[in-house]
Amino acid sequence: AQKITQTQPGMFVQEKEAVTLDCTYDTSDPSYGLFWYKQPSSGEMIFLIYQGSYDQQNATEGRYSLNFQKARKSANLVISASQLGDSAMYFCAMSRSNDYKLSFGAGTTVTVRA
Amino acid sequence: NAGVTQTPKFQVLKTGQSMTLQCAQDMNHNSMYWYRQDPGMGLRLIYYSASEGTTDKGEVPNGYNVSRLNKREFSLRLESAAPSQTSVYFCASNTGPNTGELFFGEGSRLTVL
Repeated sequence: AQKITQTQPGMFVQEKEAVTLDCTYDTSDPSYGLFWYKQPSSGEMIFLIYQGSYDQQNATEGRYSLNFQKARKSANLVISASQLGDSAMYFCAMSRSNDYKLSFGAGTTVTVRA
Repeated sequence: NAGVTQTPKFQVLKTGQSMTLQCAQDMNHNSMYWYRQDPGMGLRLIYYSASEGTTDKGEVPNGYNVSRLNKREFSLRLESAAPSQTSVYFCASNTGPNTGELFFGEGSRLTVL
């Protein structure tokens, strides 16, 4: 069974600073996908970024980048230049090839301070 | 821009009552999913439908049933609600396994008294 671990229940970050959210995963499948989602207080799930296990480069989407270290089985999310609107819960998730299940970590709450 | 629509948004039930959560997507996706979200546990898969006409159990299927009515619609039924089913429920869809992001509905908050 695949397992996603997010060890940071909550984090505080100063506005305009960068923050790194940790995510480790456990799978023996060589082909898999890694996702990050944002859930603001309004409750909706917002897709942020995707990394495939065979992708050579780390994924980036605007202020979001994914620090993918395959040997360490980690997929940390880096948010640069934090904004007040980044305050939310962030979930790491993984899917395996030909597997319909997207498994989620427990989430990390980020609070951005002005 | 409807995407994934789920109803109702909020529901309060008494123990033993039944209800159905409805979900519809207009993106022509093959696969649909029901997740529940509980504090400290992330999202857990209840049931999924890989394609029209098929349904399969996820991680926490007990106490639930599903119906894939057609390609657009996937409903979740609680036959006899229990307080342990108090949760936020999310419907989601995508084109298939490991094909990229899941598109989520806005969530349905269910309270069972």
